[in-house]
Amino acid sequence: AQSVTQLGSHVSVSEGALVLLRCNYSSSVPPYLFWYVQYPNQGLQLLLKYTSAATLVKGINGFEAEFKKSETSFHLTKPSAHMSDAAEYFCAVSDRRRDDKIIFGKGTRLHILP
Amino acid sequence: EPEVTQTPSHQVTQMGQEVILRCVPISNHLYFYWYRQILGQKVEFLVSFYNNEISEKSEIFDDQFSVERPDGSNFTLKIRSTKLEDSAMYFCASSEQVGYTFGSGTRLTVV
Repeated sequence: AQSVTQLGSHVSVSEGALVLLRCNYSSSVPPYLFWYVQYPNQGLQLLLKYTSAATLVKGINGFEAEFKKSETSFHLTKPSAHMSDAAEYFCAVSDRRRDDKIIFGKGTRLHILP
Repeated sequence: EPEVTQTPSHQVTQMGQEVILRCVPISNHLYFYWYRQILGQKVEFLVSFYNNEISEKSEIFDDQFSVERPDGSNFTLKIRSTKLEDSAMYFCASSEQVGYTFGSGTRLTVV
């Protein structure tokens, strides 16, 4: 069975500092991996996805993530945090079937300190 | 950019009542899903739907739940007899390739 583990339910960074949100996955087959963001009282927006092309994936809003098979990780980074990045971030995994469900992690709430 | 539209955005219902949550997926998408998020918890898979039938459902999706695509555009989730623990945000999603597009959700409050 597939799963993802997000380390840290809350992460605080100063504005302008590096953002690092950690995600480790477990999958018996090569997975697809995703990061979604949820702003307060809003839906889930896809930040980026890994589908086995480049291991470094660039997404929206300056975020990127690197797939590391040896570490079973897919950490999300952004070089310089903005106040507008404050949100809940979800790492997710799916099988490579086109219709497969996505399994979400528990989420990490990112706080940006002025 | 194409969107998944969900209505209503917020619904309050009495325990034991039936509710229908509505979704309009992106028009050329073939795969449809419902997820829920209980307040403060993670997003949980409920059901996937393809070619007018359920592809997969979770343990949460018991006999109280049903899904339907009544016409070419709508995709609905029905809860027959709501319980207090059904209170959650319900998200519809659709996909054509890898990665879903989610709607903004319906917040269901059962009182």
